[in-house]
Amino acid sequence: DAGVTQSPTHLIKTRGQQVTLRCSPKSGHDTVSWYQQALGQGPQFIFQYYEEEERQRGNFPDRFSGHQFPNYSSELNVNALLLGDSALYLCASSPRTGVPYNEQFFGPGTRLTVL
Amino acid sequence: GEDVEQSLFLSVREGDSSVINCTYTDSSSTYLYWYKQEPGAGLQLLTYIFSNMDMKQDQRLTVLLNKKDKHLSLRIADTQTGDSAIYFCAAHAGNMLTFGGGTRLMVKP
Repeated sequence: DAGVTQSPTHLIKTRGQQVTLRCSPKSGHDTVSWYQQALGQGPQFIFQYYEEEERQRGNFPDRFSGHQFPNYSSELNVNALLLGDSALYLCASSPRTGVPYNEQFFGPGTRLTVL
Repeated sequence: GEDVEQSLFLSVREGDSSVINCTYTDSSSTYLYWYKQEPGAGLQLLTYIFSNMDMKQDQRLTVLLNKKDKHLSLRIADTQTGDSAIYFCAAHAGNMLTFGGGTRLMVKP
């Protein structure tokens, strides 16, 4: 079992550009959540996708958007990048049913640097 | 919304016990979690506790929950140098996890 995978590992962009990050969930998981972790801080919830729809959203602007595909993989898109978007972006997957505590399994993250 | 707070730093000697504390604000949180993050890595779930429990023990880990005070703690017995990492508590409400800022644990040999 490959676990949660994310690509790319690292990414450098300049202000104003757009970026797409990708996530493949753990086998058997159908729900994907995205988190932003700024340096020295805890992860912050961006949004969650289930059945190809955004199910819940955190306090992030519309520049942050996402998509989930029929195979449950997901993309995070960020438009008009700002310096403050520099962070580790974490993807987490969870099964809809089967475990009582809805454990979210995290991927290794994508390190985005905006110059 | 939910707010989760942790102390920033803890230093212990190898073999001692470590206690990491966390407070949260939303009493409707159903599950509370402890995650570990090593440098350059993602988050690893260590343990969790359901909100109707007071204590949970899992090998060297003991979680205590004081629901009245909204206080959660993680005790690591016989702390080893490999336990050096950042530890996050997280509260689960709805579909999202709200994380604290993390406690950096340093274990001295």
